[in-house]
Amino acid sequence: AQSVTQPDIHITVSEGASLELRCNYSYGATPYLFWYVQSPGQGLQLLLKYFSGDTLVQGIKGFEAEFKRSQSSFNLRKPSVHWSDAAEYFCAVGSQGAQKLVFGQGTRLTINP
Amino acid sequence: DSGVTQTPKHLITATGQRVTLRCSPRSGDLSVYWYQQSLDQGLQFLIQYYNGEERAKGNILERFSAQQFPDLHSELNLSSLELGDSALYFCASTPTPASTDTQYFGPGTRLTVL
Repeated sequence: AQSVTQPDIHITVSEGASLELRCNYSYGATPYLFWYVQSPGQGLQLLLKYFSGDTLVQGIKGFEAEFKRSQSSFNLRKPSVHWSDAAEYFCAVGSQGAQKLVFGQGTRLTINP
Repeated sequence: DSGVTQTPKHLITATGQRVTLRCSPRSGDLSVYWYQQSLDQGLQFLIQYYNGEERAKGNILERFSAQQFPDLHSELNLSSLELGDSALYFCASTPTPASTDTQYFGPGTRLTVL
């Protein structure tokens, strides 16, 4: 069965600092990987996704993620965070032929001014 | 705005009651997904419909049911409600049932069971 682990429940960074949110997945075949962001009172918005090809994926709002098969990881990065990036971030895994997404528990990001 | 609409935004009800949550997918999308987000379980997939037919089922309780209508909107029915059913219920939609389609999420319905 597919599973996703986001080891960090809560991360605090200063505005302008770099960010890395960790995501580890468990899946036997080639996974489809996603990062979503949820702002307070909002639905989930897709930041980026990986299906195949280049393992470094660029997304919206200046985010990128790197797929590392050897480490079963798909970490999200941003070189310089803005106060508006404060939100909850979810990593999710899907697969070919399986429409559902399996989500991690989420990482809450707080930005210090 | 994802283009997916959900009503109502908030719902407060009592244990034992029945409620209906409504979802309208993005224009042109034929597939609808329902997810439950709770503090205990996180975000969990409940069920998927494609063009009116059930396509995939997840951790959906027998007290819960869903359907997709000919105009493609979907309803999630929750009955014999328990305190533990309090959660945020999301609907998402995609153009096709392909797993490579991006799921666009609605703003959710917050259900509180007292």
